[in-house]
Amino acid sequence: GQQVMQIPQYQHVQEGEDFTTYCNSSTTLSNIQWYKQRPGGHPVFLIQLVKSGEVKKQKRLTFQFGEAKKNSSLHITATQTTDVGTYFCAGRANAGGTSYGKLTFGQGTILTVHP
Amino acid sequence: NAGVTQTPKFRVLKTGQSMTLLCAQDMNHEYMYWYRQDPGMGLRLIHYSVGEGTTAKGEVPDGYNVSRLKKQNFLLGLESAAPSQTSVYFCASRSLRDGRGNSPLHFGNGTRLTVT
Repeated sequence: GQQVMQIPQYQHVQEGEDFTTYCNSSTTLSNIQWYKQRPGGHPVFLIQLVKSGEVKKQKRLTFQFGEAKKNSSLHITATQTTDVGTYFCAGRANAGGTSYGKLTFGQGTILTVHP
Repeated sequence: NAGVTQTPKFRVLKTGQSMTLLCAQDMNHEYMYWYRQDPGMGLRLIHYSVGEGTTAKGEVPDGYNVSRLKKQNFLLGLESAAPSQTSVYFCASRSLRDGRGNSPLHFGNGTRLTVT
């Protein structure tokens, strides 16, 4: 079945440093979504990428979708303590039947920011 | 507008006991999901539903059953709990895709289940 791998599993940075997490799928994706989960909280939707090579920005966050639609990345510039949490990617494969409803999550990257 | 509500928030079970987790959403969403979250494993899909009266298996369905008798509710049942089912369970819902791709998932606050 579809697998979505996310690296690194953990990332510790000093406040002000940059951070990047990478997401790779074993199959071509129809789209990819990114979520953030604060410690003790639930995942919250950040953004969705649909087009090959798409790049989107949200303030200090930059999201990219690969040309082959099999990988994606999230880059945070100049991290702040409010960026602490776990970042997940989630992808949907190009498949028929009820599988159009399935979103497969990566393992997540846990980000800690030291002030 | 409460969004997605999960009950209970916490539960401790003994091996072999049964229980049902309830998920309710008031956003008229068609799709509903049950995920479990374990350290280092991310969110793994247990079962999902694309509409009232329909359910489908996810990645880790064994030991769980679900029902979607009403559009707004999605129940997750454990018939005979095992320690391996100790986890945090999240319910999520989303609307039909808008033609540009999937709509975002809206998550409940989670249920922390411990099986001893």
